[in-house]
Amino acid sequence: QVQLVQSGAEVKKPGASVKVSCKASGYTFTAYDINWVRQAPGQGLEWMGWMKPESGITDSAQKFQGRSSMTRDTSIFTAYLELSSLTSEDTAVYYCATEVGGPTSFHFWGQGTLVTVSS
Amino acid sequence: SYELTQPPSVSVSPGQTATITCSGHELGNKYVSWYQQRPGQSPLLVIYEDNKRPSGIPVRFSASNSGNTATLTISGTPAMDEADYYCQVWDSGSVIFGRGTTLTVL
Repeated sequence: QVQLVQSGAEVKKPGASVKVSCKASGYTFTAYDINWVRQAPGQGLEWMGWMKPESGITDSAQKFQGRSSMTRDTSIFTAYLELSSLTSEDTAVYYCATEVGGPTSFHFWGQGTLVTVSS
Repeated sequence: SYELTQPPSVSVSPGQTATITCSGHELGNKYVSWYQQRPGQSPLLVIYEDNKRPSGIPVRFSASNSGNTATLTISGTPAMDEADYYCQVWDSGSVIFGRGTTLTVL
């Protein structure tokens, strides 16, 4: 069965960077885009960007361009999201999600990674 | 930029039909997906491509999309469907989520 397992919670200081991982199993990792979505406490879902694992091509929401990096290691079926210059407004749960099952929807989600930015 | 508008909250009595709307410019020309999110859990896809149910999603979940409005309908709503619901589309290469609707079953 399709599974996305994310890394554990992180606490970072303002100005630091964080790298979240998302390990895929149960499907061909390189065949489907990985998207990243975040959710601040008590808020809605915010899309951050996508990556094509086969090629490494990425695209991110304008808000995160220049501050986010999406990469992958195909040998271990893992995608990464790195976000730099963190502020308290980046405190959120970060999710990876995949389009396995259809190209316009996120059929499978990781369990989420809480990133807390605090001095 | 494209926007999706959802009512902040909807209430329904147990066993009755809940209706949640999602509005956007010419939304009927896009594929709409719907997600359910219970507190502390990851979002769960309940509808994709306007009206298709993923495997394992109960038949009480149905949806439509026409004109400027998409609608998620939950028939015979049980208490367990109390959750936040989000609509989602792709627009110009970006993913857009609605702000979410809190469904209260009481």
